[in-house]
Amino acid sequence: DQQVKQNSPSLSVQEGRISILNCDYTNSMFDYFLWYKKYPAEGPTFLISISSIKDKNEDGRFTVFLNKSAKHLSLHIVPSQPGDSAVYFCAAAPGAGSYQLTFGKGTKLSVIP
Amino acid sequence: DTAVSQTPKYLVTQMGNDKSIKCEQNLGHDTMYWYKQDSKKFLKIMFSYNNKELIINETVPNRFSPKSPDKAHLNLHINSLELGDSAVYFCASSRIYEQYFGPGTRLTVT
Repeated sequence: DQQVKQNSPSLSVQEGRISILNCDYTNSMFDYFLWYKKYPAEGPTFLISISSIKDKNEDGRFTVFLNKSAKHLSLHIVPSQPGDSAVYFCAAAPGAGSYQLTFGKGTKLSVIP
Repeated sequence: DTAVSQTPKYLVTQMGNDKSIKCEQNLGHDTMYWYKQDSKKFLKIMFSYNNKELIINETVPNRFSPKSPDKAHLNLHINSLELGDSAVYFCASSRIYEQYFGPGTRLTVT
């Protein structure tokens, strides 16, 4: 029973274009959402997050959008760079003092030079 | 000045053995975690631990046990290793939501 779903296992984008990674969740108790980036043979690294009281958070080239009614969030990377090629994980936490994360399966992004 | 470190990075062992993986964080965080990433690439929480509370994922066999000698360390002990324990194990720490991960330990049970 996956509570956090990333339905696209992979995505290829040309350098300079926009990358859009999607994530859906089923648990309406989730209150905080995060994106992680993972290179091979390394641990996941925190990228950007958003609280359920917001619908957008931006940090440089990275923007996360949250649509609570649709239980959907997305990560936009613009412009995409070859160094962005990695696996991106979406994660969610229930809040209310619980910081335990539930992760999606990940989407492998390939940015083609 | 690695924030979260794990040793060893690779561990190859035989079925039935007992092994440990060490984790240390120098971020001053109160909570530490162990995750398992299996062959299907899911990152699944195994334990979360702070100085007050140990939360165990109910699906984790009791052959797995976390040991915390102090706030900066959370080691993972595994008894009677089985083939299905082969995976990458990640340690992480956090103050609130943002968790910081170690580089992972690839465990192979033969």
